[in-house]
Amino acid sequence: GESVGLHLPTLSVQEGDNSIINCAYSNSASDYFIWYKQESGKGPQFIIDIRSNMDKRQGQRVTVLLNKTVKHLSLQIAATQPGDSAVYFCAEFSRVTGGGNKLTFGTGTQLKVEL
Amino acid sequence: DADVTQTPRNRITKTGKRIMLECSQTKGHDRMYWYRQDPGLGLRLIYYSFDVKDINKGEISDGYSVSRQAQAKFSLSLESAIPNQTALYFCATSGGGMGNNEQFFGPGTRLTVL
Repeated sequence: GESVGLHLPTLSVQEGDNSIINCAYSNSASDYFIWYKQESGKGPQFIIDIRSNMDKRQGQRVTVLLNKTVKHLSLQIAATQPGDSAVYFCAEFSRVTGGGNKLTFGTGTQLKVEL
Repeated sequence: DADVTQTPRNRITKTGKRIMLECSQTKGHDRMYWYRQDPGLGLRLIYYSFDVKDINKGEISDGYSVSRQAQAKFSLSLESAIPNQTALYFCATSGGGMGNNEQFFGPGTRLTVL
């Protein structure tokens, strides 16, 4: 069955360093992935997405890399700031019976930024 | 004002009680979703609706029901609450269509079943 999981439950980085959060997925038919950020007490917020026909996409201070060969994607955050402290989820879009899509989330990685 | 709102934000109830969680959105989106989040776990889909006449089960629909009263409203009911339904519940919306997959989440409802 399909699954989306993360390699590390907690990642600690120094302020100003780059952060890399990893995610493995098992549904090779998935054609779209999203990274979400969830701060304490809030709902998830969209960060960046990537389609399966791409291997890299850049946003503001964030980059998502997709390796379909090993079914792995990563989120890179440049110059990590205290405000980046949160739980980060990867999610994949999959087709559902009868049409339409659903989002399957990974378990999340807690990013802690140390001053 | 928030685009996706949930009520109540917190609720404590007893086993066997019927509970309804409400979700409203002002984004004009057709698609709405209910998820639950448990400590240390990701979000899991309970039910979703792609328009007012459409209701679909997610991966953990047992013990839950939903009602899509209007495009802007999607409610989740627990007919007879049990302790393992204690969790954080999120409603989300999306516009659907090509290139429009981003989901927008509400602030969550923390439900405790004693």
